[in-house]
Amino acid sequence: TQLLEQSPQFLSIQEGENLTVYCNSSSVFSSLQWYRQEPGEGPVLLVTVVTGGEVKKLKRLTFQFGDARKDSSLHITAAQPGDTGLYLCAHDGPGGSYIPTFGRGTSLIVHP
Amino acid sequence: DADVTQTPRNRITKTGKRIMLECSQTKGHDRMYWYRQDPGLGLQLIYYSFDVKDINKGEISDGYSVSRQAQAKFSLSLESAIPNQTALYFCATSDKGDGYTFGSGTRLTVV
Repeated sequence: TQLLEQSPQFLSIQEGENLTVYCNSSSVFSSLQWYRQEPGEGPVLLVTVVTGGEVKKLKRLTFQFGDARKDSSLHITAAQPGDTGLYLCAHDGPGGSYIPTFGRGTSLIVHP
Repeated sequence: DADVTQTPRNRITKTGKRIMLECSQTKGHDRMYWYRQDPGLGLQLIYYSFDVKDINKGEISDGYSVSRQAQAKFSLSLESAIPNQTALYFCATSDKGDGYTFGSGTRLTVV
């Protein structure tokens, strides 16, 4: 099993602060996905990173895929209460099997 | 309408009862999945199906069964519900390389 370790597990910050969450593994992946899950809803895909060293931006969110394709990070600039949620990383399974594995997530609370 | 629809959204049932959770999708995806989510444990795969004739067990299939009635429909059954099956249940679909689309979930409580 290609496990994904996410850190930190919990994060509670004030509006306007910056933060970074991490997704790490000892395995190499062809791609990694990031999802956000709001309370009472299912996870929603934010981005897929494919190339080692790739950086993708989604408004105030910046996603990076490690050069060795073993890890990824999500940086949020000037967090807002609407960013509150559970952030999950995932991969498509060994050899692109499409049997996905999800990390346990980082639970973010942004206080007004 | 949502791409992936789960019914019911909430359900309370008694120990020993049989219960079915339903999932339908309008994405036209062949791959469908059932997950349960418990606080601190993340998403655990129960069953998955890559087409109508294909059913596969996930990591926690004991106590559950599924039926793929059509490309668009994938239902999950608990044959005899027990309290430790109290959880959030999610259905998801995928197409190659496009990530996974989740339903809004069913909150199941077994008393």
